[in-house]
Amino acid sequence: GENVEQHPSTLSVQEGDSAVIKCTYSDSASNYFPWYKQELGKRPQLIIDIRSNVGEKKDQRIAVTLNKTAKHFSLHITETQPEDSAVYFCAVWGFNDYKLSFGAGTTVTVRA
Amino acid sequence: EAGVAQSPRYKIIEKRQSVAFWCNPISGHATLYWYQQILGQGPKLLIQFQNNGVVDDSQLPKDRFSAERLKGVDSTLKIQPAKLEDSAVYLCASSLVGTGNEKLFFGSGTQLSVL
Repeated sequence: GENVEQHPSTLSVQEGDSAVIKCTYSDSASNYFPWYKQELGKRPQLIIDIRSNVGEKKDQRIAVTLNKTAKHFSLHITETQPEDSAVYFCAVWGFNDYKLSFGAGTTVTVRA
Repeated sequence: EAGVAQSPRYKIIEKRQSVAFWCNPISGHATLYWYQQILGQGPKLLIQFQNNGVVDDSQLPKDRFSAERLKGVDSTLKIQPAKLEDSAVYLCASSLVGTGNEKLFFGSGTQLSVL
């Protein structure tokens, strides 16, 4: 199945700074890459996604970039705010195993 | 729109006991997923249903876990007998079609503690 690696596992940033999380995957045919945010004790919620025919996508302070050749994609959060503190998971839809595989998560802490 | 409903919210049992979780997906969603999320890890797919048929159950420990989705709507996940390592949050999710490039909607999960 798809092997998804996510780094870093923890990230502490000063409020107003940027945060970047990177994920790599193994199946070059994978074509869908969502990012989920999970606040403590709550359900994962989709915050942004990108498909394989697009290199970058932005939504206000959040952006995702995809490098299909290198098989990695990244989440960028600009002007971080305390409410951005959460665990972020990348995921990959494996074209060959036909399921969504998640990374291990990144705990982001925004310091006031 | 109503979200994915799960119950119970919390469950504490002793090892070797049985437990069942229930999930009601968003109305009209054909695909239903059960994920296991161990503390500090990402969700791991246990089983995926398309309507009332199983699409993938390759990571379901079939000697102790079972799941069904009768009539293609609600689903139950059962563990019998439970082991200590089954302590986790069990998340149910649903999606409209199940083609792979669509948003998954998650329920709030059932937090299981096996003592």
